[in-house]
Amino acid sequence: GDSVTQMEGPVTLSEEAFLTINCTYTATGYPSLFWYVQYPGEGLQLLLKATKADDKGSNKGFEATYRKETTSFHLEKGSVQVSDSAVYFCALKWGGKLIFGQGTELSVKP
Amino acid sequence: DAGVIQSPRHEVTEMGQEVTLRCKPISGHDYLFWYRQTMMRGLELLIYFNNNVPIDDSGMPEDRFSAKMPNASFSTLKIQPSEPRDSAVYFCASSGAGNEQFFGPGTRLTVL
Repeated sequence: GDSVTQMEGPVTLSEEAFLTINCTYTATGYPSLFWYVQYPGEGLQLLLKATKADDKGSNKGFEATYRKETTSFHLEKGSVQVSDSAVYFCALKWGGKLIFGQGTELSVKP
Repeated sequence: DAGVIQSPRHEVTEMGQEVTLRCKPISGHDYLFWYRQTMMRGLELLIYFNNNVPIDDSGMPEDRFSAKMPNASFSTLKIQPSEPRDSAVYFCASSGAGNEQFFGPGTRLTVL
């Protein structure tokens, strides 16, 4: 069945470091891909999305490109801030529902 | 817009008791989703509705769990009887014509 695999956390970075969180997927067809972020004690919020191959989603300095050839949707940010500390979820949408990866916890130290 | 509203935010109950979680989706959204989040299993989709009709309940763990959506602005998730292994954060989410799901703040359930 369809699935999403993320790199394991926690990831700990210093402020202004470069961030990459890897995400790969398995799906029949061409799903839409998403990154959601969950801050402590809150629900998930959509961070960015891409609906077709080679699309780049971007928001708040984060970017991810839909790579059909490698079935990947890696999340990147050039310079992280302490306020980016959260759990990040990669997800694919096929039909009416989202399938989430296991989440990657990011901790940014000043 | 107030966003997705869930109640209660926290629930502590004893094993064997009935628990009812409530959700009010964003007005105009025609999809509603119930998720469960635990450290061990991550984020799991339990059930989702389209236009108040259950579409996929394959994620509902067992017969102790039931969900209803009597109208477009209200849904419940009921656990009867509750067990300690049901302790988790339960999220409700809704979506409209687009792809984005909007999540509520969650209900943290503790079953003693």
